[in-house]
Amino acid sequence: KQEVTQIPAALSVPEGENLVLNCSFTDSAIYNLQWFRQDPGKGLTSLLLIQSSQREQTSGRLNASLDKSSGRSTLYIAASQPGDSATYLCAVRSARGGADGLTFGKGTHLIIQP
Amino acid sequence: AAGVIQSPRHLIKEKRETATLKCYPIPRHDTVYWYQQGPGQDPQFLISFYEKMQSDKGSIPDRFSAQQFSDYHSELNMSSLELGDSALYFCASSLGGGGTIYGYTFGSGTRLTVV
Repeated sequence: KQEVTQIPAALSVPEGENLVLNCSFTDSAIYNLQWFRQDPGKGLTSLLLIQSSQREQTSGRLNASLDKSSGRSTLYIAASQPGDSATYLCAVRSARGGADGLTFGKGTHLIIQP
Repeated sequence: AAGVIQSPRHLIKEKRETATLKCYPIPRHDTVYWYQQGPGQDPQFLISFYEKMQSDKGSIPDRFSAQQFSDYHSELNMSSLELGDSALYFCASSLGGGGTIYGYTFGSGTRLTVV
């Protein structure tokens, strides 16, 4: 059974810093990995989607990398801003037969201090 | 761009009542997924539908059922509600390949409170 772990569980840094969020998964048989942002009590906003054949994806100040063989992904946020404060969730789409759903990590709760 | 639409946004029900949540996927998306997110928890996959047929089943209680209609919208029916059913319920949709190619787009969720 796929398990996704995110480290750290919580992070508080002053604005302007570059930071890295980590995600690891136990089964490397995946189609893709998706990073989401969730504001308190709100929906999930997709940030980046990395296919299993890709090494990284970039969108603005965000860069996500994927090392499928080692079961790891990182989300790099450059020049953090208070508006980046949210919970960041990593989710993998398993390639095991019949499994449609995403498996999520428990998230990293990020606070950017003004 | 059109997003995944969920209704209602908030719902308060009493124990043992029934609730129906609705989801309207992005136009042309052929697969719909339902997730449950309890307080402080990560989203848990409940069930999915591809082209109006059940595609996969996760940790959905027997008291819950769902279906996808001819216009591709989906409804999650929850009966004999329990306090533990209080959660944020998300719907997501994807285009082709069950999320293997284009990933998933999530709606804003329905917050269900059972009192």
